[in-house]
Amino acid sequence: AQSVTQPDIHITVSEGASLELRCNYSYGATPYLFWYVQSPGQGLQLLLKYFSGDTLVQGIKGFEAEFKRSQSSFNLRKPSVHWSDAAEYFCAVLGGGADGLTFGKGTHLIIQP
Amino acid sequence: GAGVSQTPSNKVTEKGKYVELRCDPISGHTALYWYRQSLGQGPEFLIYFQGTGAADDSGLPNDRFFAVRPEGSVSTLKIQRTERGDSAVYLCALAPYNEQFFGPGTRLTVL
Repeated sequence: AQSVTQPDIHITVSEGASLELRCNYSYGATPYLFWYVQSPGQGLQLLLKYFSGDTLVQGIKGFEAEFKRSQSSFNLRKPSVHWSDAAEYFCAVLGGGADGLTFGKGTHLIIQP
Repeated sequence: GAGVSQTPSNKVTEKGKYVELRCDPISGHTALYWYRQSLGQGPEFLIYFQGTGAADDSGLPNDRFFAVRPEGSVSTLKIQRTERGDSAVYLCALAPYNEQFFGPGTRLTVL
């Protein structure tokens, strides 16, 4: 069965600084990969996805992610964070015969002034 | 969430009671998913419908949980003899393609 690891439970970044959130997955073939964001009191919103092709994918709100097969990683990046980016971020994988998404435990992003 | 509403938004019940949680797609998507998100965790897959039938219910934790989608649109998640450990946010998602779009969820609290 596939699994997703988000090693950082909390990350604190200064407003305007760059951001990288880590995600590692365990799966035999190339899975479908996703990043979701969940703000307090809000539902899960899809930031971006990777299915195939170019390994650097662009998403909404200025986010991007890079799929690295050799490292089984799909890290999320943003060049300059805004206070409104404070939220919980989830990496997810679809594949391995499972019909549902498998999520990581999430990374809580804190933005300091 | 894009294209799906969930009711109620909050449900408080007592241990041992029966609850029903509703997912109402605004548009007609054949693929519908239920997930459960416990505090401090990512969502966990419960069940997947393709049309009216449950194509995969491997994520249901035990036989107290059941879900239906009789007409291929609205789905209801049913929990019998609720336990305090069932307290969580229950999420419904639609999948027009391989992307899944989530509803706002129902927060269930079992006292």
